[in-house]
Amino acid sequence: EAGVAQSPRYKIIEKRQSVAFWCNPISGHATLYWYQQILGQGPKLLIQFQNNGVVDDSQLPKDRFSAERLKGVDSTLKIQPAKLEDSAVYLCASSLALTSNQPQHFGDGTRLSIL
Amino acid sequence: DAKTTQPNSMESNEEEPVHLPCNHSTISGTDYIHWYRQLPSQGPEYVIHGLTSNVNNRMASLAIAEDRKSSTLILHRATLRDAAVYCCIAGGTSYGKLTFGQGTILTVHP
Repeated sequence: EAGVAQSPRYKIIEKRQSVAFWCNPISGHATLYWYQQILGQGPKLLIQFQNNGVVDDSQLPKDRFSAERLKGVDSTLKIQPAKLEDSAVYLCASSLALTSNQPQHFGDGTRLSIL
Repeated sequence: DAKTTQPNSMESNEEEPVHLPCNHSTISGTDYIHWYRQLPSQGPEYVIHGLTSNVNNRMASLAIAEDRKSSTLILHRATLRDAAVYCCIAGGTSYGKLTFGQGTILTVHP
């Protein structure tokens, strides 16, 4: 089966600019996650969707970050305006269902550099 | 998620078994034990998970202590491609949410 697809693979922007990341999960996966991974750390969950509804966005900096999954399939994560501390890899993951025994399948992420 | 403790790094030789330990003494009765690994410049990859019984799959085996306060990921024959950061997570009860730590850096020598 095809894996989780993310684009772009790399992005370089200046601080205060805006940027968007796209994710296409594995077909049939109802649950979608966005993680932020800062260099040298483990991934940190930003937001979790079940179909097109938000389950958990407690760690999402809502003053600058937004995410949507309008038709319950693809998702976009946006940062506006970007800050230097947003430099990180943004990972998308999906799983079949919203239960604790379902493995999460990750894409290879978008590496964001802020100048 | 319960706090997990893993060694910062481990080394192995190719084709030898590797035992990666994880302590999770505050695990709750409904928390699953998950293992993921991450190769350089890639996203995390699911390895295995279990609740109470030992588990085997094509990638690895998971041995869970009887009191569930610790577990061990077993790679039966390490290859160079197994060199990665291995992360143990005890939790996921809250809508499948996983909290990643820094994990164990596994180095495999030819």
